[in-house]
Amino acid sequence: QQQVKQSPQSLIVQKGGIPIINCAYENTAFDYFPWYQQFPGKGPALLIAIRPDVSEKKEGRFTISFNKSAKQFSLHIMDSQPGDSATYFCAASKAQGAQKLVFGQGTRLTINP
Amino acid sequence: NAGVTQTPKFQVLKTGQSMTLQCAQDMNHEYMSWYRQDPGMGLRLIHYSVGAGITDQGEVPNGYNVSRSTTEDFPLRLLSAAPSQTSVYFCASRYPGGTEAFFGQGTRLTVV
Repeated sequence: QQQVKQSPQSLIVQKGGIPIINCAYENTAFDYFPWYQQFPGKGPALLIAIRPDVSEKKEGRFTISFNKSAKQFSLHIMDSQPGDSATYFCAASKAQGAQKLVFGQGTRLTINP
Repeated sequence: NAGVTQTPKFQVLKTGQSMTLQCAQDMNHEYMSWYRQDPGMGLRLIHYSVGAGITDQGEVPNGYNVSRSTTEDFPLRLLSAAPSQTSVYFCASRYPGGTEAFFGQGTRLTVV
């Protein structure tokens, strides 16, 4: 079963726009929610992560919004640039003793100049 | 530090052949995992290990075998390759207790 559902599958935004990628999870035991960025031909790399004790986390132009009651979290990219074009994955795990990191389906983001 | 190193980068197999995908990390991470990436499916966990001598199945383990004799290495074996195993395979490692997973560059496998 898909424990983390991600949408949209693909997204095209003009430079300077704010792409938003959404994820929903089912397992209430999850307490660590990272986002990974993947460029073509490369492995995913950690972009930003949040724990459920906060509703928002910002790192540079990247923001995670977290809604614990709705079991949803989202990634916003402010002032998006063509260099942000990549595939983005949300993920979830249990932070303590966590062996499994469960990923969403991925979103292919294209930022047009 | 090299991080997580996967070999080979590309491989073409015939149906029924076997092979081993290699993964090595130099960060002394206890946790290591294998994922496969398919379009629209995200990254699906094949097998994982929480330390030398300890492995367990992930979401899609059928057709794959693993062992972990050292902290550094976590090879993935395809027992009898099938076209459905055509995919990009990623190895990842991390410390216990969550936080960042470090991924290798991937192995693109085609089974014909």
